[in-house]
Parts: sequence; C-alpha cells; structure tokens
Amino acid sequence: ETGVTQSPTHLIKTRGQQVTLRCSSQSGHNTVSWYQQALGQGPQFIFQYYREEENGRGNFPPRFSGLQFPNYSSELNVNALELDDSALYLCASSSSGTGGLSYEQYFGPGTRLTVT
Amino acid sequence: SQQGEEDPQALSIQEGENATMNCSYKTSINNLQWYRQNSGRGLVHLILIRSNEREKHSGRLRVTLDTSKKSSSLLITASRAADTASYFCATVGGGFKTIFGAGTRLFVKA
Repeated sequence: ETGVTQSPTHLIKTRGQQVTLRCSSQSGHNTVSWYQQALGQGPQFIFQYYREEENGRGNFPPRFSGLQFPNYSSELNVNALELDDSALYLCASSSSGTGGLSYEQYFGPGTRLTVT
Repeated sequence: SQQGEEDPQALSIQEGENATMNCSYKTSINNLQWYRQNSGRGLVHLILIRSNEREKHSGRLRVTLDTSKKSSSLLITASRAADTASYFCATVGGGFKTIFGAGTRLFVKA
C-alpha cells in the first residue's frame, strides 16, 4: 500500500461553507499535490507544495488554498463552497529534487465532498 | 483543460485477451505515466516512461511512447477480471504539473 492517508473519507457541506481536508504524506516524501476529480473525469491539478511552499497552481480560484507542514502533512482549504465543488479530492505525495519536479506519485484514497 | 486524451473511452474484453489503450497529448513532456483507479478511489501508479525512452515493460504491462506523434499506448496482456478499472495517462512537462487525461474504462469479463 501507498502509505498516504486522507481524512475525512466523506464529507457533506452546504453551499457557502468552508471545508478543510487533510493528507498525511508517505514517509520520506517532500512534495504533495492536490487534485480534484469530478465524476467520470480525470484528476485536475489544484496545486503542489514542495518543502512547505506552493510550487505551482492549476486553474483554480484563490478560495482554494493549502498548507504543507514541516512533517510534510498537508491541508486543502476551500472557502465559499459552490455546488460544483462536489468531487473526489485526492492528494498525492512524491519525492522530488530541486524545484519540485515530480516523478511517480503515491495517491491517498481521497475525500468525497458533497456540497448541497 | 486536460492535456492527455485516452482512447477508447471504454473497453470491454474477455478474460485472457489483451487490452490496448492509447493516449495523446499536446505539448513537450519530461515523462509520461500510467495510473489505475478502482471504483473512484485513489490512483495506483503503474509505470513511468521518460521522454527519451520508447518502450518499457513491467510484468504484464507494456508501454510505448512516440514523442514525434505525441502519443503513448498501454498494453495489458492476458487480462484478468481484477484488471477491471479506469486507466489514466498523465504527462509531466518542464516543471511541477502533472496533467491527467479523462481515462479509459476497462471491463474484463470472467
């Protein structure tokens, strides 16, 4: 198994609320990426953190924010939830060199977020 | 928008047959990876092929990469019912971003 864990498994929120999703990276990995996966689609890159700094961002608004902690665990925060934010949120950890170039990633099982 | 596009979108075969999935992408890459996903859960990394490689094998998996055509294929030989899953190609360019395609849904009938 990958060793990447995510919590919670499922979450139901109301439009306008805020949510925090958590990820614990695999031991020894210094890079974490977050993805949003809508039903029937491939994962869409939200952002990546390398050594506690945001290293790159996909096409997501500022209400999607994140943190990476010294122990390489990570959080994804989403403010002002919208119905379209309903999706599976995946985190993936990897071990990257200088600049955060990503190689193979190890994914957690995901958090299923439903916004009503 | 997603860079990788898999073909076909869905594939149904009998156990023991081979399954071939194709992926096309648009820009230059550092490497291309294939992942498997069961029942909408976490993705499992299958194989990585670098831009200077043309073919790679891992067990029953064979991946090819043609950078001139910006395409890759994944071949699963002697398919098993347990191979039923969604398969995604993912491209990594000059930096941090991994871009996934929409996936091929493979169903292997026992």
